[in-house]
Amino acid sequence: KQEVTQIPAALSVPEGENLVLNCSFTDSAIYNLQWFRQDPGKGLTSLLLIQSSQREQTSGRLNASLDKSSGRSTLYIAASQPGDSATYLCAVDSGNTPLVFGKGTRLSVIA
Amino acid sequence: KAGVTQTPRYLIKTRGQQVTLSCSPISGHRSVSWYQQTPGQGLQFLFEYFSETQRNKGNFPGRFSGRQFSNSRSEMNVSTLELGDSALYLCASSGGTGYNGYTFGSGTRLTVV
Repeated sequence: KQEVTQIPAALSVPEGENLVLNCSFTDSAIYNLQWFRQDPGKGLTSLLLIQSSQREQTSGRLNASLDKSSGRSTLYIAASQPGDSATYLCAVDSGNTPLVFGKGTRLSVIA
Repeated sequence: KAGVTQTPRYLIKTRGQQVTLSCSPISGHRSVSWYQQTPGQGLQFLFEYFSETQRNKGNFPGRFSGRQFSNSRSEMNVSTLELGDSALYLCASSGGTGYNGYTFGSGTRLTVV
């Protein structure tokens, strides 16, 4: 059974700092991995999708990497801004099974 | 291109009542998944429908049910509501041409009093 863990559970950083969010999964036989952002009381916004054949994806100040063999993914946020404050969720897609989510990292960027 | 639309956005119901939530996926997407999100349990999978057939089901009681129509729109129903059913219910669609992962709607906030 796939299990996804996100560390840390919460993170507070000053504006402008670069930061890394971690996601680990127990079964390396994945189809793809997706990072989402969730603002309080809102739905999930997709940030980056990494397919199993890819090593990383970039979008603006965000970069996500995937190492299937070690069961790890990282989300790198450059030059953080107060608007980046949200909960970041990692989800693993193993094919014809439901997405498995981590419990998320709650990020606060302090101005 | 319209996103995933969930209605209603907010709902207040009394214990014992039933409720129906609706989800319209992105045009061309044939798969719709439902999740329940609570502060204590995080995101929990309810069920997934693909071409009107339930493909996967989570570990929820039979009070939770769903269906998908021929136009891919999906509904979920909760009967005999309990206080513990208060949650944010999220719907996601996927599929269509190419693969772009899952797209979530804004959710329905259900409060049971």
